[in-house]
Amino acid sequence: QKEVEQDPGPLSVPEGAIVSLNCTYSNSAFQYFMWYRQYSRKGPELLMYTYSSGNKEDGRFTAQVDKSSKYISLFIRDSQPSDSATYLCAPGGSQGNLIFGKGTKLSVKP
Amino acid sequence: NAGVMQNPRHLVRRRGQEARLRCSPMKGHSHVYWYRQLPEEGLKFMVYLQKENIIDESGMPKERFSAEFPKEGPSILRIQQVVRGDSAAYFCASSPRDSGNTIYFGEGSWLTVV
Repeated sequence: QKEVEQDPGPLSVPEGAIVSLNCTYSNSAFQYFMWYRQYSRKGPELLMYTYSSGNKEDGRFTAQVDKSSKYISLFIRDSQPSDSATYLCAPGGSQGNLIFGKGTKLSVKP
Repeated sequence: NAGVMQNPRHLVRRRGQEARLRCSPMKGHSHVYWYRQLPEEGLKFMVYLQKENIIDESGMPKERFSAEFPKEGPSILRIQQVVRGDSAAYFCASSPRDSGNTIYFGEGSWLTVV
Protein backbone atom coordinates (compact mmCIF):
# COMPACT_ATOMS: atom_id res chain seq x y z
CA GLN A 1 0.00 0.00 0.00
CA LYS A 2 1.32 3.43 -0.95
CA GLU A 3 1.90 5.86 1.90
CA VAL A 4 -0.42 8.48 0.42
CA GLU A 5 -3.02 7.85 -2.24
CA GLN A 6 -4.88 10.51 -4.12
CA ASP A 7 -7.19 10.25 -7.12
CA PRO A 8 -5.29 11.97 -9.96
CA GLY A 9 -8.44 13.13 -11.74
CA PRO A 10 -8.77 15.17 -13.78
CA LEU A 11 -11.81 16.53 -12.02
CA SER A 12 -13.91 18.98 -14.02
CA VAL A 13 -16.67 21.03 -12.38
CA PRO A 14 -18.75 24.08 -13.33
CA GLU A 15 -18.05 27.42 -11.71
CA GLY A 16 -19.81 27.75 -8.35
CA ALA A 17 -19.79 24.02 -7.59
CA ILE A 18 -18.62 22.52 -4.31
CA VAL A 19 -15.46 20.51 -4.85
CA SER A 20 -14.41 17.58 -2.69
CA LEU A 21 -10.79 16.39 -2.85
CA ASN A 22 -9.63 13.38 -0.87
CA CYS A 23 -6.55 11.46 0.24
CA THR A 24 -5.91 8.31 2.20
CA TYR A 25 -2.70 7.55 4.02
CA SER A 26 -1.23 4.50 5.72
CA ASN A 27 1.09 5.79 8.47
CA SER A 28 -0.85 6.25 11.69
CA ALA A 29 2.05 8.27 13.14
CA PHE A 30 1.31 11.25 10.91
CA GLN A 31 0.23 14.24 12.96
CA TYR A 32 0.38 17.11 10.47
CA PHE A 33 -1.81 17.36 7.41
CA MET A 34 -1.23 19.88 4.66
CA TRP A 35 -2.96 20.82 1.45
CA TYR A 36 -0.97 22.55 -1.26
CA ARG A 37 -2.14 24.05 -4.53
CA GLN A 38 0.20 23.91 -7.51
CA TYR A 39 -0.30 25.76 -10.76
CA SER A 40 1.47 24.49 -13.85
CA ARG A 41 5.24 25.10 -13.77
CA LYS A 42 4.97 26.79 -10.36
CA GLY A 43 5.91 25.87 -6.81
CA PRO A 44 3.37 24.36 -4.40
CA GLU A 45 1.48 26.98 -2.40
CA LEU A 46 0.43 26.13 1.15
CA LEU A 47 -3.38 26.29 1.41
CA MET A 48 -4.34 24.62 4.65
CA TYR A 49 -2.55 23.14 7.62
CA THR A 50 -4.23 20.91 10.21
CA TYR A 51 -2.76 19.27 13.25
CA SER A 52 -4.36 15.95 14.30
CA SER A 53 -8.04 15.23 13.67
CA GLY A 54 -10.81 17.72 13.10
CA ASN A 55 -11.94 20.46 10.76
CA LYS A 56 -10.39 23.75 9.79
CA GLU A 57 -12.02 26.47 7.73
CA ASP A 58 -10.40 29.34 5.86
CA GLY A 59 -12.64 31.34 3.57
CA ARG A 60 -13.97 29.06 0.85
CA PHE A 61 -11.71 26.19 1.92
CA THR A 62 -12.39 23.55 4.59
CA ALA A 63 -9.93 20.81 5.53
CA GLN A 64 -11.03 17.69 7.38
CA VAL A 65 -8.89 15.00 8.94
CA ASP A 66 -10.22 11.68 10.21
CA LYS A 67 -7.27 9.90 11.78
CA SER A 68 -9.34 6.83 12.69
CA SER A 69 -9.91 6.08 9.02
CA LYS A 70 -6.70 7.78 7.79
CA TYR A 71 -8.74 9.99 5.47
CA ILE A 72 -8.09 13.62 4.56
CA SER A 73 -10.46 15.91 2.69
CA LEU A 74 -10.40 19.40 1.23
CA PHE A 75 -13.65 21.12 0.31
CA ILE A 76 -13.83 24.18 -1.92
CA ARG A 77 -17.07 26.15 -1.87
CA ASP A 78 -18.20 28.42 -4.71
CA SER A 79 -15.37 27.20 -6.92
CA GLN A 80 -13.82 29.70 -9.32
CA PRO A 81 -11.90 29.24 -12.59
CA SER A 82 -8.84 30.55 -10.71
CA ASP A 83 -9.07 27.44 -8.50
CA SER A 84 -8.06 25.34 -11.52
CA ALA A 85 -4.80 23.73 -10.42
CA THR A 86 -3.37 20.52 -9.02
CA TYR A 87 -4.13 19.94 -5.35
CA LEU A 88 -1.59 18.01 -3.29
CA CYS A 89 -2.26 16.45 0.08
CA ALA A 90 0.77 16.03 2.32
CA PRO A 91 0.65 14.34 5.69
CA GLY A 92 3.83 14.21 7.68
CA GLY A 93 5.73 13.78 10.92
CA SER A 94 7.51 16.47 12.83
CA GLN A 95 10.60 17.18 10.75
CA GLY A 96 9.28 18.66 7.53
CA ASN A 97 9.51 15.32 5.78
CA LEU A 98 6.14 15.56 4.11
CA ILE A 99 4.83 12.66 2.06
CA PHE A 100 3.01 14.05 -0.94
CA GLY A 101 0.23 12.46 -2.90
CA LYS A 102 0.53 12.67 -6.67
CA GLY A 103 -2.11 15.36 -6.73
CA THR A 104 -5.60 15.79 -8.13
CA LYS A 105 -5.91 18.01 -11.18
CA LEU A 106 -8.97 20.25 -10.90
CA SER A 107 -10.54 22.22 -13.72
CA VAL A 108 -13.31 24.74 -12.95
CA LYS A 109 -15.21 25.70 -16.08
CA PRO A 110 -16.74 29.20 -16.38
CA ASN B 1 8.73 40.29 1.87
CA ALA B 2 10.52 37.91 -0.45
CA GLY B 3 9.57 34.26 -0.46
CA VAL B 4 11.87 31.32 -1.02
CA MET B 5 14.20 32.25 -3.88
CA GLN B 6 15.57 29.62 -6.20
CA ASN B 7 17.95 29.97 -9.11
CA PRO B 8 18.41 29.21 -11.82
CA ARG B 9 14.77 28.66 -12.77
CA HIS B 10 15.77 26.64 -15.79
CA LEU B 11 19.00 24.78 -16.35
CA VAL B 12 20.12 22.63 -19.26
CA ARG B 13 23.06 20.32 -18.81
CA ARG B 14 24.68 17.69 -21.00
CA ARG B 15 25.10 14.19 -19.64
CA GLY B 16 28.16 14.03 -17.41
CA GLN B 17 28.15 17.71 -16.44
CA GLU B 18 27.45 19.11 -13.00
CA ALA B 19 24.31 20.95 -11.95
CA ARG B 20 24.21 23.40 -9.03
CA LEU B 21 20.90 24.64 -7.75
CA ARG B 22 20.71 27.46 -5.23
CA CYS B 23 18.09 28.32 -2.65
CA SER B 24 17.72 31.30 -0.34
CA PRO B 25 15.11 30.65 2.37
CA MET B 26 12.49 33.14 3.45
CA LYS B 27 13.73 35.81 5.81
CA GLY B 28 13.84 34.48 9.34
CA HIS B 29 13.72 30.84 8.25
CA SER B 30 16.54 28.60 9.38
CA HIS B 31 15.36 25.25 8.00
CA VAL B 32 15.71 24.28 4.36
CA TYR B 33 14.29 21.29 2.51
CA TRP B 34 14.85 20.00 -1.00
CA TYR B 35 12.21 18.05 -2.91
CA ARG B 36 12.24 16.58 -6.41
CA GLN B 37 9.29 16.26 -8.75
CA LEU B 38 9.75 13.90 -11.65
CA PRO B 39 7.39 14.15 -14.64
CA GLU B 40 3.97 12.70 -13.75
CA GLU B 41 5.19 11.91 -10.24
CA GLY B 42 4.56 13.43 -6.85
CA LEU B 43 6.98 15.53 -4.88
CA LYS B 44 9.63 13.41 -3.16
CA PHE B 45 11.56 14.54 -0.10
CA MET B 46 15.32 14.59 -0.59
CA VAL B 47 17.05 16.35 2.28
CA TYR B 48 16.48 18.58 5.30
CA LEU B 49 19.16 21.01 6.43
CA GLN B 50 19.78 23.62 9.04
CA LYS B 51 22.71 26.01 8.95
CA GLU B 52 25.91 23.93 8.58
CA ASN B 53 24.04 20.69 9.41
CA ILE B 54 22.32 17.96 7.44
CA ILE B 55 19.45 16.80 9.62
CA ASP B 56 17.82 14.18 7.38
CA GLU B 57 19.13 13.00 4.01
CA SER B 58 17.06 9.84 3.82
CA GLY B 59 15.65 10.82 0.42
CA MET B 60 18.93 11.65 -1.27
CA PRO B 61 20.29 9.25 -3.89
CA LYS B 62 23.41 7.60 -2.51
CA GLU B 63 25.68 8.76 -5.32
CA ARG B 64 26.25 12.00 -7.25
CA PHE B 65 23.89 14.13 -5.11
CA SER B 66 24.94 16.38 -2.25
CA ALA B 67 23.48 19.32 -0.39
CA GLU B 68 24.80 21.99 1.90
CA PHE B 69 23.54 25.01 3.79
CA PRO B 70 26.57 27.04 4.82
CA LYS B 71 26.70 29.59 7.59
CA GLU B 72 26.65 32.35 5.00
CA GLY B 73 24.92 32.21 1.66
CA PRO B 74 22.28 30.05 0.05
CA SER B 75 21.68 26.35 0.28
CA ILE B 76 23.16 24.42 -2.66
CA LEU B 77 21.95 21.17 -4.19
CA ARG B 78 24.71 19.70 -6.30
CA ILE B 79 24.29 16.93 -8.85
CA GLN B 80 27.48 15.54 -10.33
CA GLN B 81 27.74 13.67 -13.63
CA VAL B 82 24.10 14.25 -14.49
CA VAL B 83 22.12 11.60 -16.37
CA ARG B 84 18.85 11.92 -18.30
CA GLY B 85 16.93 10.50 -15.34
CA ASP B 86 17.92 13.54 -13.28
CA SER B 87 15.68 15.73 -15.46
CA ALA B 88 13.06 17.02 -13.04
CA ALA B 89 11.82 20.03 -11.14
CA TYR B 90 13.75 20.60 -7.93
CA PHE B 91 11.93 22.53 -5.25
CA CYS B 92 13.40 24.15 -2.20
CA ALA B 93 11.28 24.92 0.83
CA SER B 94 11.93 26.64 4.11
CA SER B 95 10.40 26.96 7.54
CA PRO B 96 11.09 28.91 10.68
CA ARG B 97 12.07 27.12 13.86
CA ASP B 98 9.34 25.30 15.75
CA SER B 99 6.84 25.59 12.89
CA GLY B 100 5.68 22.00 12.94
CA ASN B 101 5.35 21.25 9.29
CA THR B 102 4.40 24.59 7.74
CA ILE B 103 6.97 24.69 5.01
CA TYR B 104 6.88 27.17 2.16
CA PHE B 105 8.11 26.33 -1.32
CA GLY B 106 10.03 28.27 -3.92
CA GLU B 107 9.11 28.34 -7.59
CA GLY B 108 11.46 25.51 -8.44
CA SER B 109 14.45 24.89 -10.68
CA TRP B 110 13.74 22.90 -13.84
CA LEU B 111 16.71 20.75 -14.82
CA THR B 112 16.85 19.27 -18.31
CA VAL B 113 19.64 16.83 -19.14
CA VAL B 114 20.32 16.42 -22.85
